[in-house]
Amino acid sequence: DAGVTQSPTHLIKTRGQQVTLRCSPKSGHDTVSWYQQALGQGPQFIFQYYEEEERQRGNFPDRFSGHQFPNYSSELNVNALLLGDSALYLCASSLTRQGANTGELFFGEGSRLTVL
Amino acid sequence: DQQVKQNSPSLSVQEGRISILNCDYTNSMFDYFLWYKKYPAEGPTFLISISSIKDKNEDGRFTVFLNKSAKHLSLHIVPSQPGDSAVYFCAATQGGSEKLVFGKGMKLTVNP
Repeated sequence: DAGVTQSPTHLIKTRGQQVTLRCSPKSGHDTVSWYQQALGQGPQFIFQYYEEEERQRGNFPDRFSGHQFPNYSSELNVNALLLGDSALYLCASSLTRQGANTGELFFGEGSRLTVL
Repeated sequence: DQQVKQNSPSLSVQEGRISILNCDYTNSMFDYFLWYKKYPAEGPTFLISISSIKDKNEDGRFTVFLNKSAKHLSLHIVPSQPGDSAVYFCAATQGGSEKLVFGKGMKLTVNP
């Protein structure tokens, strides 16, 4: 049973460029959340996708956008990259059931983005 | 303003002894708390959780205690094992949301 998979694992970009990160959720899961983890910090919630729509959003600018596909996989796009966007980007999946959300997320290994 | 705080960045204990990891929160609306463990080059993995209607939850060697009046929770690991060496994150949420607010993490080292 495949867990959460993310790609690429590492990438380097320069300021002003755009990046797309990809995530496949754990088998059977339908909800994908994205978190940013800067060095020495805990993960910070970016947004969550369910039924191909953004369901919740954290305190991130519009340069951060996402998408969820019919097969539940998801992409995170960041435009006009800044040096401060350098971080580990974590994807987490879960199964949305009415009244049964527990906050127990399954995380991937992350995509480490370096912006030069 | 950090809503979930793990004030000690690291802890070192001997194998077999108790490890106590602490976490404080400021948002009184939080009603569900979780601990995640993270090994290097891996994503965080869920360890244990507690609802605000309880003050204790136990799962094997892991016990989480919640003191709502003090807005404080702690994770006890007894006995500690070298394989427990990892970074531990405290997280909180409210109203069944999966928008978790994490602390900065604490690195636990269990020495053989």
